[in-house]
Amino acid sequence: GAVVSQHPSWVICKSGTSVKIECRSLDFQATTMFWYRQFPKQSLMLMATSNEGSKATYEQGVEKDKFLINHASLTLSTLTVTSAHPEDSSFYICSAPRPAGKTGELFFGEGSRLTVL
Amino acid sequence: QKEVEQNSGPLSVPEGAIASLNCTYSDRGSQSFFWYRQYSGKSPELIMFIYSNGDKEDGRFTAQLNKASQYVSLLIRDSQPSDSATYLCAVRGRTGGGNKLTFGTGTQLKVEL
Repeated sequence: GAVVSQHPSWVICKSGTSVKIECRSLDFQATTMFWYRQFPKQSLMLMATSNEGSKATYEQGVEKDKFLINHASLTLSTLTVTSAHPEDSSFYICSAPRPAGKTGELFFGEGSRLTVL
Repeated sequence: QKEVEQNSGPLSVPEGAIASLNCTYSDRGSQSFFWYRQYSGKSPELIMFIYSNGDKEDGRFTAQLNKASQYVSLLIRDSQPSDSATYLCAVRGRTGGGNKLTFGTGTQLKVEL
């Protein structure tokens, strides 16, 4: 079945540095990918919709200059957390819709746990 | 009112019992409904989806949808300790809204020996 791979699975960085997270669709093409963030004991909150070949669409309250999204190919989307601060520490999860799916099912990557010191 | 509401739990059931997880949603035009299971520290995995009123069964799992009441539930029969996880209800909005899903906060299920 369709698989979404995310890398790295965990990362620790110093405050003020930038971190890039990659999301790949392994055996299908994804013109759209979704980036979610999940704080402990909370639900998944959609941050942005990544669109291949065009600008990402950000949800209200999400800073586009802080969370840079690049969807350069049909199988790769990247999220860069710029000038990271401890409050950015969270579980970041990407997802892609089932190919040719009509119901909207999403396949999730393994997630990336970011810890900012 | 939250778009998708779930009781956070924890819901504790004995092994072998039926676990009933509930979810309500606010957008009456919602099209599809999903149940995801999430183990601690892991990403969600799809259990089932439903988009028509009534019941949908898949093994030990049954999803129930009542659009008039804006209510969707998940029943887990013969609950096993391995079913202990957080169950996330997700809703896809109206047609044309893309594949964007809105998630509830999840219900933590504990299946006790």
